[in-house]
Amino acid sequence: DAGITQSPRHKVTETGTPVTLRCHQTENHRYMYWYRQDPGHGLRLIHYSYGVKDTDKGEVSDGYSVSRSKTEDFLLTLESATSSQTSVYFCAISGLAGGSDTQYFGPGTRLTVL
Amino acid sequence: SQKIEQNSEALNIQEGKTATLTCNYTNYSPAYLQWYRQDPGRGPVFLLLIRENEKEKRKERLKVTFDTTLKQSLFHITASQPADSATYLCALDDLSGSARQLTFGSGTQLTVLP
Repeated sequence: DAGITQSPRHKVTETGTPVTLRCHQTENHRYMYWYRQDPGHGLRLIHYSYGVKDTDKGEVSDGYSVSRSKTEDFLLTLESATSSQTSVYFCAISGLAGGSDTQYFGPGTRLTVL
Repeated sequence: SQKIEQNSEALNIQEGKTATLTCNYTNYSPAYLQWYRQDPGRGPVFLLLIRENEKEKRKERLKVTFDTTLKQSLFHITASQPADSATYLCALDDLSGSARQLTFGSGTQLTVLP
């Protein structure tokens, strides 16, 4: 498995509280991504990073922010969690090996917002 | 609007038969199409990548075709086994954005019956 870890793996929180999810890689890959996965919607891109301090929005970025201060860490923050943000969150990395964009995924974080 | 559709949410087949999964897309011009496997409670795992100028790609019991005229990819698993039971996701890369972003279909859950 690619060296990607996510923490926490499970979290239950209350509406209105801030939440930060962490993705850590040991592969030194340039690109990192945050997705959410919901039944019927598949994987949807929240934010991505193409380098340290370089980030951009994905398809469903509202209510989320990210930061990348080091190559190995990509943080996803929910400033004020809402029940609609209950989901499974996956981090992925990509190194553009040979021109392709194979993504390697972390194990996921199951977030429940009550 | 852009859309990716994978045939039926669930597909059941008998062990030993060939499973065929379909990925259709509209309003994309993908440079690459990828297939991933996802087991319950885990992140997706890359299986195969096919480029727009390739018609077919094989890997062991897996075969992927890519028809840019029909805007369709077919994913075949020959001599299927119960261990092949999983959700299979297709993903498109149209080379847009600062990072090479993938857009995922919602997946087809395959069950291989013994």
